[in-house]
Amino acid sequence: KQEVTQIPAALSVPEGENLVLNCSFTDSAIYNLQWFRQDPGKGLTSLLLIQSSQREQTSGRLNASLDKSSGRSTLYIAASQPGDSATYLCAVRNDYKLSFGAGTTVTVRA
Amino acid sequence: DVKVTQSSRYLVKRTGEKVFLECVQDMDHENMFWYRQDPGLGLRLIYFSYDVKMKEKGDIPEGYSVSREKKERFSLILESASTNQTSMYLCASSLGTGGRTEAFFGQGTRLTVV
Repeated sequence: KQEVTQIPAALSVPEGENLVLNCSFTDSAIYNLQWFRQDPGKGLTSLLLIQSSQREQTSGRLNASLDKSSGRSTLYIAASQPGDSATYLCAVRNDYKLSFGAGTTVTVRA
Repeated sequence: DVKVTQSSRYLVKRTGEKVFLECVQDMDHENMFWYRQDPGLGLRLIYFSYDVKMKEKGDIPEGYSVSREKKERFSLILESASTNQTSMYLCASSLGTGGRTEAFFGQGTRLTVV
């Protein structure tokens, strides 16, 4: 069974600092990995998708890397802003199913 | 843009009631999913469907059933609601199963069973 771990569980940084969020998974036979953002009481918003054959994916201030062989992904958020405060979830796909980590809750202090 | 719409943001139901949670997607996706999200437990898959009238149990199907009569609509049914089913319920859809398959989520339904 796929196990997904996100460290740290919570993170608080001053505005402008870069954010580094980690995700690890136990079964490297994945199709892809997806990073999501979740605001309190809301659904999940897709941020980035990295296919298993890719090493990284970028969108604006966000960059995600994937090392499938070691079962790790990292989400970098450059020059954080208070609006980046949210919970970030990673999910890995094996066939139809997505397995989720518990998330990292980020607070960016103005 | 893909849109996944859940019929209610908030629901309050009584113990023993039959509860229907509805989800509609507008992008002709084959696959639809129901998850529940609880503090400390993360998202857990209840059921999924890869085609009309097809369904597969996820990790925690007990106490739930599903219905998919049309491609765009996937319903989650709580046959007899219990307080331990109080949770955030999230619906998702996706197209295919390959490396480019991206999941899209609805806004969530916060269900409280009293």
